[in-house]
Amino acid sequence: DAGVTQSPTHLIKTRGQQVTLRCSPKSGHDTVSWYQQALGQGPQFIFQYYEEEERQRGNFPDRFSGHQFPNYSSELNVNALLLGDSALYLCASSPDRGTEAFFGQGTRLTVV
Amino acid sequence: DAKTTQPPSMDCAEGRAANLPCNHSTISGNEYVYWYRQIHSQGPQYIIHGLKNNETNEMASLIITEDRKSSTLILPHATLRDTAVYYCIVRVAAGYQKVTFGTGTKLQVIP
Repeated sequence: DAGVTQSPTHLIKTRGQQVTLRCSPKSGHDTVSWYQQALGQGPQFIFQYYEEEERQRGNFPDRFSGHQFPNYSSELNVNALLLGDSALYLCASSPDRGTEAFFGQGTRLTVV
Repeated sequence: DAKTTQPPSMDCAEGRAANLPCNHSTISGNEYVYWYRQIHSQGPQYIIHGLKNNETNEMASLIITEDRKSSTLILPHATLRDTAVYYCIVRVAAGYQKVTFGTGTKLQVIP
């Protein structure tokens, strides 16, 4: 079992650009959540996808959007990048009726 | 989700038991205590969770007080690879529930 995989591992973008991050959940998991972790802080919840719909959302602007595909994989899109969007972006997957969330290794986004 | 309080940092000698405390005085009856750890620049790793009984797995033991207002994560024989930030989280045990992280405890295992 490959666990939760994220791509790319590192990314550098210019302010104002758009970025897409990808996540493949653990086998058998149908719920995918995204988190942002700024340097020195704990991860902050962005949103969660289930059955290809956004089910719940944290306190993030509309520049942050996502998508879930029929195979349960997911994308996180961020438009009009700001310097403050530089962070580690984490994807977590879980079975909807399960009890644990498993995290990927993250994508390190640097906005310059 | 209920709020948790953890010490910001702790040291532990290699080979000794590491005892990480967590206070969660506002925990609800249907909320579990979860522990995750995050080794530098990696994704959080699930360690253990429990409701009211003590739990043990291959990584750690979780001791929850009878009133459920506090708990202790025990790493029985700490190694250098256990150096990480440890997060205590209380949440409903369901896949749809988000994980709300606090600031955690930075555990430094010392040779």
